[in-house]
Amino acid sequence: DVKVTQSSRYLVKRTGEKVFLECVQDMDHENMFWYRQDPGLGLRLIYFSYDVKMKEKGDIPEGYSVSREKKERFSLILESASTNQTSMYLCASSFTRGNTIYFGEGSWLTVV
Amino acid sequence: LAKTTQPISMDSYEGQEVNITCSHNNIATNDYITWYQQFPSQGPRFIIQGYKTKVTNEVASLFIPADRKSSTLSLPRVSLSDTAVYYCLVGDIGGATNKLIFGTGTLLAVQP
Repeated sequence: DVKVTQSSRYLVKRTGEKVFLECVQDMDHENMFWYRQDPGLGLRLIYFSYDVKMKEKGDIPEGYSVSREKKERFSLILESASTNQTSMYLCASSFTRGNTIYFGEGSWLTVV
Repeated sequence: LAKTTQPISMDSYEGQEVNITCSHNNIATNDYITWYQQFPSQGPRFIIQGYKTKVTNEVASLFIPADRKSSTLSLPRVSLSDTAVYYCLVGDIGGATNKLIFGTGTLLAVQP
């Protein structure tokens, strides 16, 4: 079975803190993704990486950055957390082509 | 990319068959139709994919008419544990996965 593991399930951070969300996949997938999910808005793509050290902005990259130093690991960074970044964050991975994306369990981030 | 339209929500009772229809009027020749299921507090997971006619697996069936402008996900004899959000995606199976768009999905609520 494909496994996408997100390091933290629940986090509470203060406004202005730097936040790291880590994700690891075990299927040697080229692509990795970070989405956020908010009620009524569906899944929105923050950043996408198609190879080590390569990244592309998604639909809502503002306030976020990413790091992919190794193929299996993709990190989402909130440089200075704000309350409007309170959300569920989903990491995912896939092969380069196709319609099948594998998601992690999600990380619930609350910024107070 | 073909845009998809699904009902926002549906209600059902245990033991009933549930059919969720997705409209995709602008589907392209190379596009496949894929459905994902998302339980509360979890990431979406792949359930079924098809190109035309009918596809069946252990979880669901997918019916696609000849014009492929819509598709219907059929869940036989639902149980309470089938309460989830169901997403319909349309995309070129040879296309880049970062172009797949998750809408708001259909919230299926199964009652006793």
